[in-house]
Amino acid sequence: SQTIHQWPATLVQPVGSPLSLECTVEGTSNPNLYWYRQAAGRGLQLLFYSVGIGQISSEVPQNLSASRPQDRQFILSSKKLLLSDSGFYLCAWSVSLANTGYTFGSGTRLTVV
Amino acid sequence: GQSLEQPSEVTAVEGAIVQINCTYQTSGFYGLSWYQQHDGGAPTFLSYNALDGLEETGRFSSFLSRSDSYGYLLLQELQMKDSASYFCAVRDRRGSTLGRLYFGRGTQLTVWP
Repeated sequence: SQTIHQWPATLVQPVGSPLSLECTVEGTSNPNLYWYRQAAGRGLQLLFYSVGIGQISSEVPQNLSASRPQDRQFILSSKKLLLSDSGFYLCAWSVSLANTGYTFGSGTRLTVV
Repeated sequence: GQSLEQPSEVTAVEGAIVQINCTYQTSGFYGLSWYQQHDGGAPTFLSYNALDGLEETGRFSSFLSRSDSYGYLLLQELQMKDSASYFCAVRDRRGSTLGRLYFGRGTQLTVWP
């Protein structure tokens, strides 16, 4: 069966510090991978998606970047965090042309102080 | 671009029926999904409609009218555990690319005993 792992679960980082969040998927090949951010009490904002190794599309210009060094690994990064980067970050995967929905990881709650 | 509108809050009592509406605007519609998110948790997939009509999954049903750009989630025989946020999401198509989901702001459902 397919599983998605996301870590860490919580993170408190000072303004100006770097960020690296990792997501890995098991039990499937060539998944579509996504990073979403959810501000408190808000909907989910699509940040990045990837259809293959090294292929990253950005939905919203911002202080963040994403990379996909391996088929089932998706990394969200920042060189210098801003207060506005605080939020709940969710990784998800899906299979193209399928209608079974996205499967989300358990999320990382990031607080920038 | 995409935009989705859904009510911010809905309350109901145990055993009741509640309907959460969603209207959307998107340049390349491919399907409407519904997700449930409990406080502090990750969204979980509930249902998907690509064609007009009603899809039933146990106590939950989802409806889509593509001509009206409208859908709803119907929850029957409400239980306390149904208290959560419910998000509608449109799946878009751009050329040959499928699968990206854009979420509404969510509807907070509170079920009272």
